[in-house]
Amino acid sequence: EVLLVESGGGLVQPGGSLRLSCAASGFTFGSYSMNWVRQAPGKGLEWLSYISGSGGSYYADSVKGRFTISRDNAKNSLYLQINSLRAEDTAVYFCVREGDGGSYSVYWGQGTLVTVSS
Amino acid sequence: DIVMTQSPESLAVSLGERATINCKSSQSVLKRSNNKNYLAWYQQKPGQPPKLLIYWASTRESGVPERFSGSGSGTDFTLTISSLQAEDVAVYYCQQYYSTVYTFGQGTKLEIK
Repeated sequence: EVLLVESGGGLVQPGGSLRLSCAASGFTFGSYSMNWVRQAPGKGLEWLSYISGSGGSYYADSVKGRFTISRDNAKNSLYLQINSLRAEDTAVYFCVREGDGGSYSVYWGQGTLVTVSS
Repeated sequence: DIVMTQSPESLAVSLGERATINCKSSQSVLKRSNNKNYLAWYQQKPGQPPKLLIYWASTRESGVPERFSGSGSGTDFTLTISSLQAEDVAVYYCQQYYSTVYTFGQGTKLEIK
């Protein structure tokens, strides 16, 4: 069974930093591209970043320069470093695995909530 | 970036009736080399992560009921629920994965009339 478990969320002050983690199990982690998607309270889905199995990455314009995606295939883990946090970064952050045959998002974690407030 | 626009923003349909949600992309998401539309549909219920329903615009994910179908090509796509069930109440999103910057539509809230 594919499992994605996010952690690292919490309350952080504006301007602060946070590192989100996603522990993956039930599949060969290094063989799959991964993504981060977020959802602000009561709002829609926002795709944030992609990383291939070998480490190539892409970002949404809205987070480029502040967010850094990374992975450790030996630890079956995905990460998202978030710097210079703003109130508008308050959201649930989802870790997502792509499909076997394409870049659609098949498996989603339950998400971790990041709240940016003073 | 490719902008995805869904319509309507909300929809109320009677049980057993057809529900239709539209999604339009600002540029084509059809890749000519493989004749595939890089378009997916997701369902999200309150307090849950999204669930993949449809990919390649019309391929139903394993385990998704046959009443869900996707159609369209290029820039215009449709998600159809042929006979609405109570458990289909949710928000539905389209997403393109054609470009290196994936984008979602704003969502369509489906309710029972």
